[in-house]
Amino acid sequence: ILNVEQSPQSLHVQEGDSTNFTCSFPSSNFYALHWYRWETAKSPEALFVMTLNGDEKKKGRISATLNTKEGYSYLYIKGSQPEDSATYLCAFGADKLVFGAGTILRVKS
Amino acid sequence: GAGVSQTPSNKVTEKGKYVELRCDPISGHTALYWYRQSLGQGPEFLIYFQGTGAADDSGLPNDRFFAVRPEGSVSTLKIQRTERGDSAVYLCASSPGLAGGVETQYFGPGTRLLVL
Repeated sequence: ILNVEQSPQSLHVQEGDSTNFTCSFPSSNFYALHWYRWETAKSPEALFVMTLNGDEKKKGRISATLNTKEGYSYLYIKGSQPEDSATYLCAFGADKLVFGAGTILRVKS
Repeated sequence: GAGVSQTPSNKVTEKGKYVELRCDPISGHTALYWYRQSLGQGPEFLIYFQGTGAADDSGLPNDRFFAVRPEGSVSTLKIQRTERGDSAVYLCASSPGLAGGVETQYFGPGTRLLVL
């Protein structure tokens, strides 16, 4: 059974703080790693799809890195803003995605 | 362009009843996916369509769950004899479905199902 773990479970930061969270996944038979942001009452929004070891992706203040050999990915948010408050999900796979339970981020102004 | 839409947004039903949940994918997307998210967990895969056919239905929990996509566009997830444990957010996603490579799955807002 594939297991995708995310940590921490939740995070409270002040506006302007930089933060990061972790996604751990099986290092064997790697295909792809996806990051999503899910705000309450909205659709999960795709942030990144990462396929190559050492991949680094960036979208505005958010960036992600990938280490397929050791089975982890980091998501970084620089200068957190209240609008970054959401649940951040990672998912492993191609068609049939296996999701972690998510990291809930709350940014206080 | 319109994203993935799902109806209804909320559904309350009684134990034992039948429910249908609808998903309208992004126009032109041939791949369609259903997931279910229970409280405190990440979304869990149910079924994946490529065109009209179910390419992988290994996530359907039992034979009370069934999904169709008769014309390769709109999909309906059908749940018979609902149980309280079926209460969850049912998410639908679509992707272009091009051969080879990994695609981003674009999600709808979900249907929140509550079985009393």
